[in-house]
Amino acid sequence: QLQLVESGGGVVQPGRSLRLSCTASGFTFTSYGMHWVRQAPGKGLEWVALIWYDGGNKYYADSVKGRFSISRDNSKNTLYLQMNSLRAEDTAVYYCARDRTPGYGMDVWGQGTTVTVSS
Amino acid sequence: EIVMTQSPATLSVSPGERATLSCRASQSFSSNLAWYQQKPGQAPRLLIYGASTRATGIPARFSGSGSGTEFTLTISSLQSEDFAVYYCQQYNNWPPTWTFGQGTKVEIK
Repeated sequence: QLQLVESGGGVVQPGRSLRLSCTASGFTFTSYGMHWVRQAPGKGLEWVALIWYDGGNKYYADSVKGRFSISRDNSKNTLYLQMNSLRAEDTAVYYCARDRTPGYGMDVWGQGTTVTVSS
Repeated sequence: EIVMTQSPATLSVSPGERATLSCRASQSFSSNLAWYQQKPGQAPRLLIYGASTRATGIPARFSGSGSGTEFTLTISSLQSEDFAVYYCQQYNNWPPTWTFGQGTKVEIK
């Protein structure tokens, strides 16, 4: 079945780095753009980044631009989010999600991985 | 940047009743609007895309409508499993960005 599994979350001090992973199965990973979306505790959803199916283009929310980097390894069916210079406000559950087609929704989601930025 | 505003923040509805959720954009855009359902402790689930097309496996009691700056999600007869938080999400062509509304919680009356 269609599945996305995130990993790599944890507790990290402000200013440090963390890399999240998202492994896909059950579909042709190389055919889809992929998103990272986050949700701070008790808050709504916030789009973080998108990478095209071939890694050729990447887009970021202003809140993470210059600090976060999205990438993918299509040979491993894996999506990554490299998070640098972490701040307390980056504390959230991070979800990866499949882009159905730009403008047509995110149709497959992982279960999320929790990132806590705290000293 | 387009801002998406959902109303009401909380909607109290009895099972079997109709629920109407609103999503307003700060400026007009194409019908690249989606709706998601999220239950506590779960990932969001895509309900509607293209403003009015139900995603795979979504029951017919869910319907979406609207264009320009005003969009609506209607749940025709609420079932117990429909009590959740609902988010609208807009896609902007350039620069490519995706913006969520702040959510509407549908609770049991």
